Amino acid sequence: DGGITQSPKYLFRKEGQNVTLSCEQNLNHDAMYWYRQDPGQGLRLIYYSQIVNDFQKGDIAEGYSVSREKKESFPLTVTSAQKNPTAFYLCASSIQRNYGYTFGSGTRLTVV
Amino acid sequence: DQQVKQNSPSLSVQEGRISILNCDYTNSMFDYFLWYKKYPAEGPTFLISISSIKDKNEDGRFTVFLNKSAKHLSLHIVPSQPGDSAVYFCAARSTGGSQGNLIFGKGTKLSVKP
Repeated sequence: DGGITQSPKYLFRKEGQNVTLSCEQNLNHDAMYWYRQDPGQGLRLIYYSQIVNDFQKGDIAEGYSVSREKKESFPLTVTSAQKNPTAFYLCASSIQRNYGYTFGSGTRLTVV
Repeated sequence: DQQVKQNSPSLSVQEGRISILNCDYTNSMFDYFLWYKKYPAEGPTFLISISSIKDKNEDGRFTVFLNKSAKHLSLHIVPSQPGDSAVYFCAARSTGGSQGNLIFGKGTKLSVKP
């Protein structure tokens, strides 16, 4: 079955540490996205990638980095520069020029 | 500036009655609108969409209405069921700028009481 997989589902990080969230899709989608959800804030775009080896900053990219070396994979690194990293992170993908996203099940990151 | 606004953070409805979720937008370049449903600790799932060339789209118990002159859309759920209790996000796509990117509202939490 095609889909988009995020791992891990729950992640704990000590302050000052970098952490990488995984996102893999087997839908053959060209575009991939990372969103962050905070209570009362809705979904805010962190980074997106329309094709392999290319990605663009979203609205809240500071403190985050991504790579897109393969079409199937779009990992997100939360760096120590991100001042408030505790949140629910969602990865999504879409066919280029299509109208909707398929979302993963999310990763809950908690800084301890 | 918020381009997609869902002004009601929450809505409570009795089972069997109609649920109406509202969404307003400011960007006249939006050409496609979607509604997503999200349960806690899960990713959003696509519910229904509408193109800007239409004013209504229906899928079973779900109907989306678009009023372009008012820059307003609404999602109607009839009849509402307890399993509909979730957060509903309105999203819009722009023909300009970062083509294909969706802009989401902050969501409305719907509670359907038995």
